[in-house]
Parts: sequence; C-alpha cells; structure tokens
Amino acid sequence: AQSVTQLDSQVPVFEEAPVELRCNYSSSVSVYLFWYVQYPNQGLQLLLKYLSGSTLVKGINGFEAEFNKSQTSFHLRKPSVHISDTAEYFCAVSGMDSSYKLIFGSGTRLLVRP
Amino acid sequence: GAGVSQTPSNKVTEKGKYVELRCDPISGHTALYWYRQSLGQGPEFLIYFQGTGAADDSGLPNDRFFAVRPEGSVSTLKIQRTERGDSAVYLCASSLSTNSPLHFGNGTRLTVT
Repeated sequence: AQSVTQLDSQVPVFEEAPVELRCNYSSSVSVYLFWYVQYPNQGLQLLLKYLSGSTLVKGINGFEAEFNKSQTSFHLRKPSVHISDTAEYFCAVSGMDSSYKLIFGSGTRLLVRP
Repeated sequence: GAGVSQTPSNKVTEKGKYVELRCDPISGHTALYWYRQSLGQGPEFLIYFQGTGAADDSGLPNDRFFAVRPEGSVSTLKIQRTERGDSAVYLCASSLSTNSPLHFGNGTRLTVT
C-alpha cells in the first residue's frame, strides 16, 4: 500500500517569489509520482509526472519536481509564481503494480499575493 | 475537444434517498475511474473500469455504493440509502488506457441533508 503526506495545508507567497510545495510518500513497491492542480470550480489537471528516467521532471506552467528516492520525496517547485497560480495542489502516488490507482495527499493551497 | 462530463454538477438529497451520478468519459477512453473528495481532503479511489467490467472496486466504502458501465462508455455511480457522511464531491476520470494520464471531470457535489 502507498500513502502520501503533504505537510503544508497552505502556503502563502508573494507574486514573483519562488515556491516549493512539499510531498513525501511511503510505499513497499516502486512507484509512479504525480502532481495535480485544482483551480476553483474546475477539475483536477495533471501538472507533471515521474514514471522513470531523469529524476528532475518538468511540467506545465513552469513547474518542476524532483524525485528523491532516498528521502521518499517529490517536492514541487516554481522559480517565480504568478497570481494565476493560486490553486490547490495535490501530490499523488501509484504503485507500479497497480498504476491505475492514484493515492492522493490532502493537498496544499498555494495563495499568491500581489 | 470535449472533456469528461459529469452530471448533475450539484445534487441535494435527503438522508435515506437513492441517487445516481453520471459520467461521460472522453470518447475512445477505455479506462474510467471514480474518486470521492471530502472537504479538505484529497480524492480517494472508489472504483476502476476497464471497458465494461469493474477491474477494481476495492475503494467502494460499503454495499450501498455500486457503479456500472454497461456499454463501456458512460458510467453511473449509484448510492442507496444515502447518509450524511456520503456528502462529498464525486469525481470521474478517464484515460486512453490504464497507463495513460487521467483526465478528470469537474465533479458532482453531493449534499445529503
């Protein structure tokens, strides 16, 4: 079984500042890792995913994440945020043996202030 | 193109009533998923269809919950004898195949009074 921990329920940041949203996971098998974004009144949208290969993954809207196996982390970063990045961000994991089943963290609300 | 469509967008029902939630996946997507998102939580897996069959229904909380996908396209999530604890946003997603990215609908917000 897998689990995901997003320790920060809310992250306030000023516009154009860098941001890091933290995600740690646990699993007894090898995993795939994902970040999804949920804008107000919209469905979940895939930001980026790690399946294999390079541990630094680039996604849409200037976001990137780094898979760190030894620390079981998959933190999301953006060097300069915009007001429009205000949203809920979810980290998710699936086991390679059950790749269809995503296990989500509880989410981090990114609040970008002018 | 059209995304995953879920109807209704909001549903208010009384405790004990029966409800049906509908999901229209993206055309051609063989895999379909239902998740439930309670307030302040991330989505929780309920059930996964590959074609017409439920390949994994281990996330359904109890036998009041049932889902079907009779023709391998539209799916209906059915909840009998609703309870206040069933109040949540029910999300549907589809993917081209099992290992393809999931595309989520906007969800159905169910409120049981």
